[in-house]
This record gives sequence, C-alpha cells and structure tokens, in this order.
Amino acid sequence: KAGVTQTPRYLIKTRGQQVTLSCSPISGHRSVSWYQQTPGQGLQFLFEYFSETQRNKGNFPGRFSGRQFSNSRSEMNVSTLELGDSALYLCASSQKPTATGVIGANVLTFGAGSRLTVL
Amino acid sequence: DAKTTQPPSMDCAEGRAANLPCNHSTISGNEYVYWYRQIHSQGPQYIIHGLKNNETNEMASLIITEDRKSSTLILPHATLRDTAVYYCIVRVGTGANSKLTFGKGITLSVRP
Repeated sequence: KAGVTQTPRYLIKTRGQQVTLSCSPISGHRSVSWYQQTPGQGLQFLFEYFSETQRNKGNFPGRFSGRQFSNSRSEMNVSTLELGDSALYLCASSQKPTATGVIGANVLTFGAGSRLTVL
Repeated sequence: DAKTTQPPSMDCAEGRAANLPCNHSTISGNEYVYWYRQIHSQGPQYIIHGLKNNETNEMASLIITEDRKSSTLILPHATLRDTAVYYCIVRVGTGANSKLTFGKGITLSVRP
C-alpha cells in the first residue's frame, strides 16, 4: 500500500511569508503527527491530529498551526516565516492516537519530509 | 523532554553484530519501547518495538531487560547501509497529552 506522502518535498520562502505543507497518511490511518527537524534541536514534536481534532501540541509559537480533514489528510501552516523555521518537516501517520489508555502499540510511519528553506 | 538516554555514537565492522543500548529507566509498566532509524535527510524508518518480551523481526532483535529499564537493539550482521541515526523512544506524558518524542539518538557508523 502507498506510504505517507508529503508535498512539496522542497520549497524556498522568504522571511515574513507563510507556507502550507500537506501530508496524506497511509490509507486507514486516522492519526497524523508533525515533527520539525533541525540540526541543532533534532526531531521536535509539533502536534498530532486524530479524527480531525488536535490531540496534543508541542512547544511551538502560535505561528505554527495545523488541521486535519475528514479523509485524514493533514496540513500544517507556518505564518510570518523566520530564518529559524528552516527545517525538515516530517509527518507521520498511525492507526491510533498516541495516548495513554490506548491499547496496544502505536507504530508511526513517516513520510520523506518537506524541506523548507527560509531566506 | 525525551525519557530515553543513548550514547551519542558507536561504530562496528561490516558483517559483525551491532548492539545499540538505550536506557529508559522511568518507563511505566504498560509503555512500549520503539526503535526507529534515520538515514541522512530521510524520514525515520520504523525498526521494531517491544513491551516485555524480546522481539525479533527481519530487520533486528530487541532485548529488553527484566526490569524494563533498558533495552538493546541488535543488528545481527551490520552492513554499510545500516549507517544511520538510531532512536529509542517511549511515550511521554499522560492521557491525551502524551506523545512520542525523539531524543538525540545514537549515530551508528558501519566501517568496511
């Protein structure tokens, strides 16, 4: 079956602009998580969506937002871009949400990422 | 806020077993341990997960100590393509606020 698809793969923006990244999860997966990866900070959790609801949010400013559609596809948006937003943005999907009380393991499948460069 | 500790790097010879350690001393009784790896600039790839028992799949074996405070990922016959950053992760937080967080990982270098 098809994996997690992220678009675009590469993009270049300038400071002050905004950007929207898209993630199509594996068919049947209802949870989508987003991560930011930079050389200095490593992989940092942004947020998770399950059934169109944001379940959890990492420690990022309000310029970072996301949403999930009824078909489980997700988008994340970064407004008023800063140089420090240059990063690899990774999306991961899973069948279940990452929450205690959820029975069984929750394996994430990652996409190839969207490489954002802010000039 | 990663709850796992891994050495920053290690290397091994091609064809030999690579044993990658991870400390997760604060893990709770019903939490799984997951291992992923990331080859430069690609998305992390799932390897294996375990709860209490040792696990094996086509990629690796996972040995979990009886007290569950540490685990070891074993790549039985490392190849050059296994050079990557390996992450050991557990769920952080409680209830709906829990999430899987990645620490720094361990960089494995396989030498010819």
